[in-house]
Amino acid sequence: QVQLVESGGGVVQPGRSLRLSCTASGFTFSRNLMHWVRQAPGQGLEWVAVISYDGSNKYYADSVKGRFTISRDNSKNTVYLQMNSLRAEDTAVYYCARGGEYSNYYSGMDVWGQGTTVTVSS
Amino acid sequence: DIQMTQSPSPLSASVGDRVTITCRASQTISRYLNWYQQKPGEAPKVLISAASSLESGVPSRFSGSGSGTDFTLTISSLQPEDFATYYCQQSHRTPFTFGPGTKVDIK
Repeated sequence: QVQLVESGGGVVQPGRSLRLSCTASGFTFSRNLMHWVRQAPGQGLEWVAVISYDGSNKYYADSVKGRFTISRDNSKNTVYLQMNSLRAEDTAVYYCARGGEYSNYYSGMDVWGQGTTVTVSS
Repeated sequence: DIQMTQSPSPLSASVGDRVTITCRASQTISRYLNWYQQKPGEAPKVLISAASSLESGVPSRFSGSGSGTDFTLTISSLQPEDFATYYCQQSHRTPFTFGPGTKVDIK
């Protein structure tokens, strides 16, 4: 079945780095945009980043621009989120989600992973 | 950046009620508006895309309308499994912003 599984979350000190992974199955991964969305404890959803189907285009929320990098490896059906210079306010559950096919940025996110928790604390 | 607002929040309702949630964008987004439902401890689930297109498997009691800056999500007859938080999200332009959410709870 269509599935996304995140991994890589954990507890990290402020200023350190962490890399999240999201592995897809059940669909042709290389056709779809992929998003990262996060949710701080007790808060709403915050869109973080999106990457094009071929990895050539990447867009970020202002809150993470310059610190986070989204990338993908279509041979491994995996999208990554490299998070550097982590701050306490980055503490959240991080979800990966499937976007539209090819250059369809207008589509909603129709498949979500279960989320991985990142806690930034000294 | 495009800012999204939602009202009301929270929303108290009873089973069988007709419920309407409003979402407003700070600038026109055509019909690039999606609605999600999230229950505690679960990932969000898309209900409606492109303002009014019902996603596969979503009950027909859910409907969406609107264009430009003003949008609505309507649940025609609230069911027990519909008590959840609902988010709108614009996909017109990056950054793809979400609304703050509307929690629908039991009156």
